[in-house]
Amino acid sequence: GAVVSQHPSRVICKSGTSVKIECRSLDFQATTMFWYRQFPKQSLMLMATSNEGSKATYEQGVEKDKFLINHASLTLSTLTVTSAHPEDSSFYICSAPSRPSLYNEQFFGPGTRLTVL
Amino acid sequence: AQSVTQLDSQVPVFEEAPVELRCNYSSSVSVYLFWYVQYPNQGLQLLLKYLSGSTLVESINGFEAEFNKSQTSFHLRKPSVHISDTAEYFCAVIIRGSGGSNYKLTFGKGTLLTVNP
Repeated sequence: GAVVSQHPSRVICKSGTSVKIECRSLDFQATTMFWYRQFPKQSLMLMATSNEGSKATYEQGVEKDKFLINHASLTLSTLTVTSAHPEDSSFYICSAPSRPSLYNEQFFGPGTRLTVL
Repeated sequence: AQSVTQLDSQVPVFEEAPVELRCNYSSSVSVYLFWYVQYPNQGLQLLLKYLSGSTLVESINGFEAEFNKSQTSFHLRKPSVHISDTAEYFCAVIIRGSGGSNYKLTFGKGTLLTVNP
């Protein structure tokens, strides 16, 4: 099946710094990618939809200026957590549909665990 | 808005015992239904899905789930579990049809299945 990778798998940073997380579709093109956040013992919450060549669509309650999303190519979307604080510590996961508009067949990356000290 | 309820946060069972992980959803319209599995330190993998047709769907590793429209349920079952089935299991839905949310996966909080020897 389709493969989605994320880098880094783990990152520890100091409060106030910015962290960039990459999401790549390795063997297919993804015009759309999704970013989720997962707290311990909680479900995945959709943060935003990343669209290649256009602005991301953010879910209600997600700060656009805090979580910057860039989808510069058909295989890469990046999530930048700006001025990170301890409450931003979480597991961030991306996904992509295997074919355009086939959203009922999404493939997930392995996730990035962010720890903000 | 749709929601997904997984009634059990943890289910411990012994090897070779049967198991049922419960999932109920709330939606007034038709949905696509999914079960994802997350093994320790790995990303989510699609286990099985119901899109249309037969209400009983099966995975390659012996799990099955049945869509019950009247009870708005999609419980996951396996007649005999293995230690390797130990993982977190997430139920999720997508609302069918057109509209801006036709891609959005809504997840339950997950059920940790622990299979003991």
